[in-house]
Amino acid sequence: DAGVIQSPRHEVTEMGQEVTLRCKPISGHNSLFWYRQTMMRGLELLIYFNNNVPIDDSGMPEDRFSAKMPNASFSTLKIQPSEPRDSAVYFCASTHNWEGRDQPQHFGDGTRLSIL
Amino acid sequence: RKEVEQDPGPFNVPEGATVAFNCTYSNSASQSFFWYRQDCRKEPKLLMSVYSSGNEDGRFTAQLNRASQYISLLIRDSKLSDSATYLCVVTPVSGNTGKLIFGQGTTLQVKP
Repeated sequence: DAGVIQSPRHEVTEMGQEVTLRCKPISGHNSLFWYRQTMMRGLELLIYFNNNVPIDDSGMPEDRFSAKMPNASFSTLKIQPSEPRDSAVYFCASTHNWEGRDQPQHFGDGTRLSIL
Repeated sequence: RKEVEQDPGPFNVPEGATVAFNCTYSNSASQSFFWYRQDCRKEPKLLMSVYSSGNEDGRFTAQLNRASQYISLLIRDSKLSDSATYLCVVTPVSGNTGKLIFGQGTTLQVKP
């Protein structure tokens, strides 16, 4: 079975450029999460979706960050304009959430983003 | 106070040692608990769920103490391959949305 698929695996770009990260959740999963991980701050939840609807975006750092989930099999995280402090590993995770049961999340391989 | 707190370590132990990690959580109404493992430059992966009665998976034992709001992970006969960061994970109280709260992780180094 395919796991969570993220692309690109690595991205190096200059500050000011637009960056788009992509995620395909596990088929059948109805919750999708975007995380950012750095040495200093650890794993931070940026935003998550249930049934394609954004539920909580309070972790999004600022207006330069936006996320969409146009359908159950695809999500994007966009940074525009990018800044060096956005350099981090960005993970996407998915789970099947139903009432009364908390399920573990399955993570993609991550996108290593470097903003020069 | 952080929602989930862990001792970051590192814990440096010799092969074959038994090592235990603790984690505390702030909200007494949290319902589900997990341990994840993260290798260097890799994604977090589920190690095991934590059940109220305690559970064991091979060399790994997880315990939950709801009264004291802590979770533990015990690793027996540690192997070099156990070297990783172990993340304590709990669910928040606000609705069943699938959201998980991750601790900062405890780093384990097993040495020959």
